[in-house]
Amino acid sequence: DAGVTQSPTHLIKTRGQQVTLRCSPKSGHDTVSWYQQALGQGPQFIFQYYEEEERQRGNFPDRFSGHQFPNYSSELNVNALLLGDSALYLCASSPLSRDRGFHYGYTFGSGTRLTVV
Amino acid sequence: AQSVSQHNHHVILSEAASLELGCNYSYGGTVNLFWYVQYPGQHLQLLLKYFSGDPLVKGIKGFEAEFIKSKFSFNLRKPSVQWSDTAEYFCAVIPKDNFNKFYFGSGTKLNVKP
Repeated sequence: DAGVTQSPTHLIKTRGQQVTLRCSPKSGHDTVSWYQQALGQGPQFIFQYYEEEERQRGNFPDRFSGHQFPNYSSELNVNALLLGDSALYLCASSPLSRDRGFHYGYTFGSGTRLTVV
Repeated sequence: AQSVSQHNHHVILSEAASLELGCNYSYGGTVNLFWYVQYPGQHLQLLLKYFSGDPLVKGIKGFEAEFIKSKFSFNLRKPSVQWSDTAEYFCAVIPKDNFNKFYFGSGTKLNVKP
């Protein structure tokens, strides 16, 4: 059990559609990060949420957006899907070390496999 | 821009063989270093991490890694692999001046033949 729950596990969408992926962080974690792992590549950072705000963003277009709820869970939304958006989307949660601002103890979920056809 | 390079994309070994997976990073500042393993269909699991101190770190399942600052390297080793080590291995870096995100390598798929 990863402690981080992602849903759904698999999803097939048509080009141009919109998709929402969900993540429940590990108990005690308040920070959620999203990563995209394309086939044959390592995970790429999309963005991170803390205190219901996007704190940092990777090199992804505005079609990728997110949200964090008061219970720390998070959603990743992708609009106008492209074939190239097909990937495994990973959620990682962590407790923020408020003393040093250093995130440690990252836990990854098993991911949502998105296929765009 | 920061980057992480893993030299081997696919490694095939027989059981009991020794393993070394290479990892180099490009970043001028101080970094925290990690190795993660991803078994088929499972989530990324932390094998080991280096923050500071002894550059030789030991992780779970008999893995270890050595940080060589002058070479910007953090190679993963295991003296004797088992069939159950078949998985994909990712090296990752978090710059100490940007704690918010990992930079991952492209991964190395390890196949251990029984």
